[in-house]
Amino acid sequence: DAGVIQSPRHEVTEMGQEVTLRCKPISGHDYLFWYRQTMMRGLELLIYFNNNVPIDDSGMPEDRFSAKMPNASFSTLKIQPSEPRDSAVYFCASSLSPRRGYGYTFGSGTRLTVV
Amino acid sequence: TQLLEQSPQFLSIQEGENLTVYCNSSSVFSSLQWYRQEPGEGPVLLVTVVTGGEVKKLKRLTFQFGDARKDSSLHITAAQTGDTGLYLCAKGKGGGADGLTFGKGTHLIIQP
Repeated sequence: DAGVIQSPRHEVTEMGQEVTLRCKPISGHDYLFWYRQTMMRGLELLIYFNNNVPIDDSGMPEDRFSAKMPNASFSTLKIQPSEPRDSAVYFCASSLSPRRGYGYTFGSGTRLTVV
Repeated sequence: TQLLEQSPQFLSIQEGENLTVYCNSSSVFSSLQWYRQEPGEGPVLLVTVVTGGEVKKLKRLTFQFGDARKDSSLHITAAQTGDTGLYLCAKGKGGGADGLTFGKGTHLIIQP
């Protein structure tokens, strides 16, 4: 199994540009999570999906952020327009069944820098 | 907000020494997970504990869940340079289906 795959690994963009981060979860995992990690705030949950349906997006910072999961093997996190304070490492994670105690498998992350 | 407090924030010790890091909360956990994160990578699950007083061992790592399920500790015996990393504890809510809340972690450096 290739694990959770995220792309790109690094993204540098100018303020005001649109940024799209991509994630391919582990096949068969019903849950997909988007997290953001910064030194100041640590890992923060942004949004999660169950069976491709968004369940809780209360962690999404503001309307500039949006996430979709059009099918079981693909999800995107979009920031439009981007701002310097969005600079962080964004992680995608998937899980088989958190209610049954299964852990989360994280991707390697996308390091976003907005200049 | 139910916060997870991890201590110490930073720890640097010599190879071969023992160490303990802690994870505490003011509220009860339904379950707790420990992860290790290496630079440039995502966190990797080490263990899940669910029962108060539970102790789990993973080679030189011993994880303990407090009797009241409000705290947990990770003890490493005879630390090795390969143990270097960020150790994160995380709690689930409602069986974990609401996503994990992470502590800010303990940055551990094992010096040769």
